[in-house]
Amino acid sequence: QQPVQSPQAVILREGEDAVINCSSSKALYSVHWYRQKHGEAPVFLMILLKGGEQKGHEKISASFNEKKQQSSLYLTASQLSYSGTYFCGTEREGGSEKLVFGKGTKLTVNP
Amino acid sequence: DTAVSQTPKYLVTQMGNDKSIKCEQNLGHDTMYWYKQDSKKFLKIMFSYNNKELIINETVPNRFSPKSPDKAHLNLHINSLELGDSAVYFCASSQRASTGELFFGEGSRLTVL
Repeated sequence: QQPVQSPQAVILREGEDAVINCSSSKALYSVHWYRQKHGEAPVFLMILLKGGEQKGHEKISASFNEKKQQSSLYLTASQLSYSGTYFCGTEREGGSEKLVFGKGTKLTVNP
Repeated sequence: DTAVSQTPKYLVTQMGNDKSIKCEQNLGHDTMYWYKQDSKKFLKIMFSYNNKELIINETVPNRFSPKSPDKAHLNLHINSLELGDSAVYFCASSQRASTGELFFGEGSRLTVL
């Protein structure tokens, strides 16, 4: 039931791009993305609902392919502030009202 | 004003003791949650309340008992603490039970010795 994230970790230089993937074995109603910096609480980035939409948040955007039960988070021209652990959370179709998080992807952006 | 506040931020206690963590949200949200984040950073939902009614109760030992006196408060009481209970416990709230953005509290780091 827990979504699978890949990669587990990625190291970038400032200005480089990254893609983080999230996949589920179950039909999904929504995918959520959060970022957690060390020692802090997770912070909401965006929600994608069933319908294959793409959303953007500054230079961070995401897509949701409901047929493949996959979502991808795109970070372009990365900044030092993007460093942290990114979690996808998925809500199954059928309205389980429960957000289940993946194990996270640790992103490190170096100068 | 802090949107979701938890107290205490840190607890260090001996095995077998009982402890409580309190959570309050001032966002007017209907739904509140408890998540546990272990040492491997895995965020796992424990409980969810919607307007004081328990709607999610994951496979959690019955030593953990949540209580929601009103929709702005959700407390977590843990009996007979074990080493494996050591973790960061996050309270969160959302406007509605599904498809809602979660607002997390700062977390309460519990260390059981």
